[in-house]
Amino acid sequence: GQSLEQPSEVTAVEGAIVQINCTYQTSGFYGLSWYQQHDGGAPTFLSYNALDGLEETGRFSSFLSRSDSYGYLLLQELQMKDSASYFCAVRRSNSGYALNFGKGTSLLVTP
Amino acid sequence: DADVTQTPRNRITKTGKRIMLECSQTKGHDRMYWYRQDPGLGLRLIYYSFDVKDINKGEISDGYSVSRQAQAKFSLSLESAIPNQTALYFCATSSNDLESSHEQYFGPGTRLTVT
Repeated sequence: GQSLEQPSEVTAVEGAIVQINCTYQTSGFYGLSWYQQHDGGAPTFLSYNALDGLEETGRFSSFLSRSDSYGYLLLQELQMKDSASYFCAVRRSNSGYALNFGKGTSLLVTP
Repeated sequence: DADVTQTPRNRITKTGKRIMLECSQTKGHDRMYWYRQDPGLGLRLIYYSFDVKDINKGEISDGYSVSRQAQAKFSLSLESAIPNQTALYFCATSSNDLESSHEQYFGPGTRLTVT
């Protein structure tokens, strides 16, 4: 079967660093994406890993270990506006490379 | 103007009614998707289409149907709405390029309530 696990909630302080983990169990794994969603608004793309290692995009970085079926999103220099839900999503070659999303992690940034 | 638009933005309907949600995009993308979002359950894929002649079922297609009228338009229908279809529905698009199709562009969502 398939599964995607990520913490339901994370709290961190403004200016700090936070890591949101995602573990997956799936067939046909091709890559791992991360999306951000504010308060029921449209999800927006953050980052993508198809190969092992770290991808950096400004304050956000994403990591993938295919052998461990594990990835994470790292947010640095947290700002209040980073309070949102973050979703990992698996891209699968045996479903037309469509995305299957995790249940999301609600991040609360406090002063 | 928004690249991906959805109509209506909010809809309240009664059990048993037929309802259609519409999605249009101006990004020129071939791939289009419909998701539903329920609190605590994330986004679940209902249907996806890679071009006008290609329609595929997602994780939760039962009770739904779709129509790809043109490259830019992808509609989701609930033939006979039931209360547990109350949810936030998102349309999304992506390019057909394998190297970039992981980046999906979402519409603003349609909040549907079935009473």
